[in-house]
Amino acid sequence: NAGVMQNPRHLVRRRGQEARLRCSPMKGHSHVYWYRQLPEEGLKFMVYLQKENIIDESGMPKERFSAEFPKEGPSILRIQQVVRGDSAAYFCASSPMVGTEAFFGQGTRLTVV
Amino acid sequence: QQPVQSPQAVILREGEDAVINCSSSKALYSVHWYRQKHGEAPIFLMILLKGGEQKGHDKISASFNEKKQQSSLYLTASQLSYSGTYFCGTAGLNAGGTSYGKLTFGQGTILTVHP
Repeated sequence: NAGVMQNPRHLVRRRGQEARLRCSPMKGHSHVYWYRQLPEEGLKFMVYLQKENIIDESGMPKERFSAEFPKEGPSILRIQQVVRGDSAAYFCASSPMVGTEAFFGQGTRLTVV
Repeated sequence: QQPVQSPQAVILREGEDAVINCSSSKALYSVHWYRQKHGEAPIFLMILLKGGEQKGHDKISASFNEKKQQSSLYLTASQLSYSGTYFCGTAGLNAGGTSYGKLTFGQGTILTVHP
């Protein structure tokens, strides 16, 4: 049973470009969570999705950031017009049901130059 | 609100024990513990649910005091592989008595085990 798969592992974007981060949850998991981690800091919640629905986006910046989890395919975190402050590690986690254990992917390290 | 972890850092020699604490000001549905090594993904250790419980496997165990909204992670007879940053993640309790789903993480405790 493959774990949570994220790609790409590393992504370099110039200021003003778009970044698309993908997350395929573990088999049988329909709940997906995105977290952001700055160097030497903890994990900050961004958004919680369940197939085709955004359940909680209280941690998402109001502008430039969006997330989706379509019926088919991976969950996508999209950052438009990236700025240097967006540079961070973005982790995705999945769980089979709300309130159960959540497993993390390897993360996407975004660098904005 | 972010849960508070203590201590911020621990240095051990192999074979020594450590306790890491996690305290929240909010009513909790569950507490999740993770270990993260530099540049890697957080690795799930265990989950403790409301109602107060204790869990453990091998030399790592944890407890959750629901009344105090506190959890502790116990590491006994530490090994070099235990080194890393330990995070507690808390899931809030909603009005329906279930979890909000998202985890709010503490600032982390850096554990270093020396030979």
